Amino acid sequence: QKEVEQNSGPLSVPEGAIASLNCTYSDRVSQSFFWYRQYSGKSPELIMSIYSNGDKEDGRFTAQLNKASQYVSLLIRDSQPSDSATYLCAVNSGGGGNKLTFGTGTQLKVEL
Amino acid sequence: DAGVIQSPRHEVTEMGQEVTLRCKPISGHNSLFWYRQTMMRGLELLIYFNNNVPIDDSGMPEDRFSAKMPNASFSTLKIQPSEPRDSAVYFCASSSDNYNEQFFGPGTRLTVL
Repeated sequence: QKEVEQNSGPLSVPEGAIASLNCTYSDRVSQSFFWYRQYSGKSPELIMSIYSNGDKEDGRFTAQLNKASQYVSLLIRDSQPSDSATYLCAVNSGGGGNKLTFGTGTQLKVEL
Repeated sequence: DAGVIQSPRHEVTEMGQEVTLRCKPISGHNSLFWYRQTMMRGLELLIYFNNNVPIDDSGMPEDRFSAKMPNASFSTLKIQPSEPRDSAVYFCASSSDNYNEQFFGPGTRLTVL
């Protein structure tokens, strides 16, 4: 069974620190990887997508992908209280179709 | 551009009643997904359509659930009869074939009493 695993947290970091969120996946043929942010009571919001090994930076966010290790991470630099949310990792396993498999999410708390 | 539109935003109904949730995907997107989210089970894919055709309905919990997509701009998820365990937030999302990025609607919070 294809799985995406995340630590549920909560992960607590002080304001201004780097938050590191991690995700592992089981399907070796996975091709596309996504990070969603979900505030309490709101819908998931796409914040990063990554398709090839290495780093991808967008503002304070960096996604890192290592297909050999089946590992994808999200770094948030200069964490702000407004970053406090649940972060969902999602993986498309290819084979045709746009179906994503979601992890259960990591709750991030940025403390003043 | 408008994002994914869902209605109603909140629905409270009694056990045994029929519930219909509606979704309008982003214009130009040809894949549509229905998800259910609960604290216990997280985000679950119920069914997805590509070019209005159901591709994978393996997540539909039972025959009480049905979904249709009569055209590229409209889909419904129906529960008949509804049960208290169906209480959850139901999300619709859409994507294009060029990218796998899915964009979510605001969701429908369903409460079955």
